[in-house]
Amino acid sequence: ETGVTQTPRHLVMGMTNKKSLKCEQHLGHNAMYWYKQSAKKPLELMFVYSLEERVENNSVPSRFSPECPNSSHLFLHLHTLQPEDSALYLCASSKIGQGATDTQYFGPGTRLTVL
Amino acid sequence: AQKITQTQPGMFVQEKEAVTLDCTYDTSDPSYGLFWYKQPSSGEMIFLIYQGSYDQQNATEGRYSLNFQKARKSANLVISASQLGDSAMYFCAMRERTGGTSYGKLTFGQGTILTVHP
Repeated sequence: ETGVTQTPRHLVMGMTNKKSLKCEQHLGHNAMYWYKQSAKKPLELMFVYSLEERVENNSVPSRFSPECPNSSHLFLHLHTLQPEDSALYLCASSKIGQGATDTQYFGPGTRLTVL
Repeated sequence: AQKITQTQPGMFVQEKEAVTLDCTYDTSDPSYGLFWYKQPSSGEMIFLIYQGSYDQQNATEGRYSLNFQKARKSANLVISASQLGDSAMYFCAMRERTGGTSYGKLTFGQGTILTVHP
């Protein structure tokens, strides 16, 4: 596997379910990101992990819970979601530090539908 | 005020012709980066090209070039010799380093849908 991978690619869940999205990067990066892309809206940054520490949480509801066990893996745990949470969830990673352009490389996304 | 503005919701181009996608930005950060991404209907966001605020030359990557006009705060993407596979949504994004963060916050524009006609 190369680049950034995400599983599952598609997910349908009820409002009472608990599920997790997984992201893995094979680029040797040290920062990882979760974005939400809803129809007709720009990408919204949800969470940032830099060197495995969560450094940003953009007022995301607590029903979304991120986890970054190491620099290569990132999870987004979902519980009691609402229909308006239906969206494309994109994971990205980048190399930060001296001399780095901090270019973010994205995974293919998980298309989530909440019934 | 919007940080990234893409004024063209949709653009059409004939195959093999060149097309310019517009992007203007707003920042007070002297050190920033500008990116263009391509998003096909499959959903993946594909990195195309990067321009740093201190770069003297316009960035080029194959058929993609970035027309960087710093004083006008514009960073237009030029795609030369368009191909049918170029049909996609294109996003302009800006990275700023604010608040002493170790990483750059990436802000995206609304996107431009490009359709390439045969």
